[in-house]
Order: sequence, then C-alpha cells, then structure tokens
Amino acid sequence: ETGVTQSPTHLIKTRGQQVTLRCSSQSGHNTVSWYQQALGQGPQFIFQYYREEENGRGNFPPRFSGLQFPNYSSELNVNALELDDSALYLCASTRRDSTDTQYFGPGTRLTVL
Amino acid sequence: AQSVTQPDIHITVSEGASLELRCNYSYGATPYLFWYVQSPGQGLQLLLKYFSGDTLVQGIKGFEAEFKRSQSSFNLRKPSVHWSDAAEYFCAVGVRGNEKLTFGTGTRLTIIP
Repeated sequence: ETGVTQSPTHLIKTRGQQVTLRCSSQSGHNTVSWYQQALGQGPQFIFQYYREEENGRGNFPPRFSGLQFPNYSSELNVNALELDDSALYLCASTRRDSTDTQYFGPGTRLTVL
Repeated sequence: AQSVTQPDIHITVSEGASLELRCNYSYGATPYLFWYVQSPGQGLQLLLKYFSGDTLVQGIKGFEAEFKRSQSSFNLRKPSVHWSDAAEYFCAVGVRGNEKLTFGTGTRLTIIP
C-alpha cells in the first residue's frame, strides 16, 4: 500500500474523445509525475507537477495536459484520443529535492477503440 | 539525455537458484538508480535505490544491487529466488534524484519449480 490512489481503474474510450484521469498523492508529497506504460514496455515520463505548475515534460504532444490542485491531487487530461494512447497510466508522488522514495499508484488502464 | 538498457527480455530461473538481472545506463552526471518490480495488473514497487555512498545496495525481499561506474551498470541480484518473485523488473535512472525517471524496457522473470 503506497498511499497513492488512482481513478478510474479501467476506462474505454473511442478515438477522438477526451479523457481525464485522477490521482491522489501520498500525504505530505508536493510533487506528482505521470507516466505512460504501453503493453510490454517500460513506463515513459509524461510530465511532472510541483506547486501546481508543470515542472518538466517528456516527449509527449500538447494534447496531454495536467493539473495539480492545492491538496496535491492531480489530473491527467488527454484530448483527441488516438489508438496508440491505449496504455496503463501511472502517477507517482514524492517530495521535491529529497531522497524520498517516489511512490506509484496502481494505474489506470485506458483502452482506445 | 539519459537511457537505460535491460538486455534480457525474459529470464527463467528454478526456485531456490540465484538470480542476476542486468541493467546498463547512460547518463552524463551522477546517476540516481532504481530497481522496481511490477506484478501483473499492479503498479510499481521500489525494490532498492542508489543515490550515493556504498556501491552495494540492499533492498526489500532479499534483493541487492551493485553500482559499477566503470561499467555503467546496476545489476540486481538475489541469492535464492522464491516462486513469488515471478514478475516484471524495471531498472530506472533519475534526474534530480527521485524525479523524472527513465525506465528500461523491463525483464520478465519466470520461476519454475
């Protein structure tokens, strides 16, 4: 049990739709990161939020966007869904500039048809 | 940019035998290195991490890893595997310590009786 929760567990969408995934960070953690894990691959860093601002982005297009709220919960939004967006989406929380462990949530499995 | 290579896609080991999973990294500065384990349908659990100091790192579940700067390696070892160790193992390198991880493609471990 990591203290990081994600919702929903599974989601099915069609191409072109929009989706919002949610993450609740572990208490005391002010930094949240989102990762995309395609089937059979390692997780890929999407972006990170610190103090409600984006703090680094991986190689993902602008249709992937996010929010971090004052209570350190977070959302990942994906617009104009494509078939290749089908993946497990993981969020992870930690305290910035610390050696604390980055704790991962169980993920949201997104299927785009 | 940093990168991680896990050369073994799939390894099969007999229960009770020793295990070594290979990981090579590429990073221009001092690396922060991690090993995570993922069971089917689960998120990522941290096994161990290396930030600095002793190059032999002890983790949970009897795992250890050794950082070798000259070989750019961070191999994971366990002296005697248990059936419950069957899972996917990911090596990762971090920027600013515990943030913005770059993962390898993973090694799937199968345990046979």
